[in-house]
Amino acid sequence: EVVLTQSPATLSLSPGETATLSCRASQRITSNLAWYQHRPGQAPRLLIYRASTRATDIPARFSGSGSGTEFTLTISDLQSEDFAVYYCQQYNNWPPLTFGGGTKVEIK
Amino acid sequence: QVQLVESGGGVVQPGGSLRLSCAASGFPFSNFGMHWVRQTPGKGLEWVAFIRFDGTGPFYADSVKGRFTISRDNGKNTLDLEMNSLRPEDTAVYYCAKDRIEMATIGNFQHWGQGSQVTVSS
Repeated sequence: EVVLTQSPATLSLSPGETATLSCRASQRITSNLAWYQHRPGQAPRLLIYRASTRATDIPARFSGSGSGTEFTLTISDLQSEDFAVYYCQQYNNWPPLTFGGGTKVEIK
Repeated sequence: QVQLVESGGGVVQPGGSLRLSCAASGFPFSNFGMHWVRQTPGKGLEWVAFIRFDGTGPFYADSVKGRFTISRDNGKNTLDLEMNSLRPEDTAVYYCAKDRIEMATIGNFQHWGQGSQVTVSS
């Protein structure tokens, strides 16, 4: 099973700042990694797939990078609606599909 | 517009059973693989099960294998999850989710329902 480790667990930032979230895989997963945003009480939303491709209707301030075992989600110019929990997820070697533990981006 | 609406959640005693359903609309349901994903209290997301667009597979997380059964009815555009021998650790919000590419097995969750709460408690 591929274990994904996200860091940091919590990121405290102000609107307008840039968030940098990390996801590390326990084995190489090429670029088969996705990122999701989850706001309380809402359905999760696919942001990025194939490590760096933005999903439909996702703003350009969200960008993904990385391959192999190290991946990054960058959120530029944080907006109020961006404060949420973010999960990475691998689909290179499954079942099982696995998620990271999440990073909470909170308002400082 | 893609819509996924879960139903069937509730409170059940340990060892009991429950059946979740997901009604799909706004896309060609029979062309897409479908998943169940859950979020346990205070924890993150956990993939539960997957069924291919044509009903083959299915695949399960080890934590539910032998207790849960995923199925679909492409004529009715519905996805089900039969849950037996429920345990307190199965308490979670259960989401149905659509895979990203039609006629393929990818493992991304492009669209999600709003979720259905399942509570296993005596």
